[in-house]
Amino acid sequence: SAVISQKPSRDICQRGTSLTIQCQVDSQVTMMFWYRQQPGQSLTLIATANQGSEATYESGFVIDKFPISRPNLTFSTLTVSNMSPEDSSIYLCSVRPSYEQYFGPGTRLTVT
Amino acid sequence: GENVEQHPSTLSVQEGDSAVIKCTYSDSASNYFPWYKQELGKGPQLIIDIRSNVGEKKDQRIAVTLNKTAKHFSLHITETQPEDSAVYFCAASIEGNTPLVFGKGTRLSVIA
Repeated sequence: SAVISQKPSRDICQRGTSLTIQCQVDSQVTMMFWYRQQPGQSLTLIATANQGSEATYESGFVIDKFPISRPNLTFSTLTVSNMSPEDSSIYLCSVRPSYEQYFGPGTRLTVT
Repeated sequence: GENVEQHPSTLSVQEGDSAVIKCTYSDSASNYFPWYKQELGKGPQLIIDIRSNVGEKKDQRIAVTLNKTAKHFSLHITETQPEDSAVYFCAASIEGNTPLVFGKGTRLSVIA
């Protein structure tokens, strides 16, 4: 298994600003993912962030809006840039140490 | 790409009764099928999974069945308890190679 922590746990931000979310894992993992969960909805993959390579973004998500860093095998950041109210969501970090995939507690973002 | 359909979207059961949630998938290459439980304000928690080389897996009160021919899999919870109340998500992927694709979720309410 893997234990994942995220910072911040929640934040309220103003339109037009940016927020960087941190994800820390208690063990080294190659495969790391960032998901978005809009209120009352399912999980949508934003990007796959494997260490040593550029993040791969899913359709509808672009690097300028959601830049990701993956400096080592235990840490990653996701930045939500130039925020609008539509970005209000839960952002989840996830890792796959083997075939099982685990999620962090999420960062609850509200944009006003 | 993979598409996962999940039914029902909401489910209410009396405490002690059984609950069944069903999912279908589209990509016959998928071979890993996890189930997640998400309680309010928390990240998804992996509760059970099944790989395509078995048809059924049990863990205490929960079980998952898989029918590869029909491309569907189900979560069974027996002797439900109020603490089982949560949103449950099914997912599918090609083990080790592709990100999980999630169903839309089922909100389970166990009435005491």
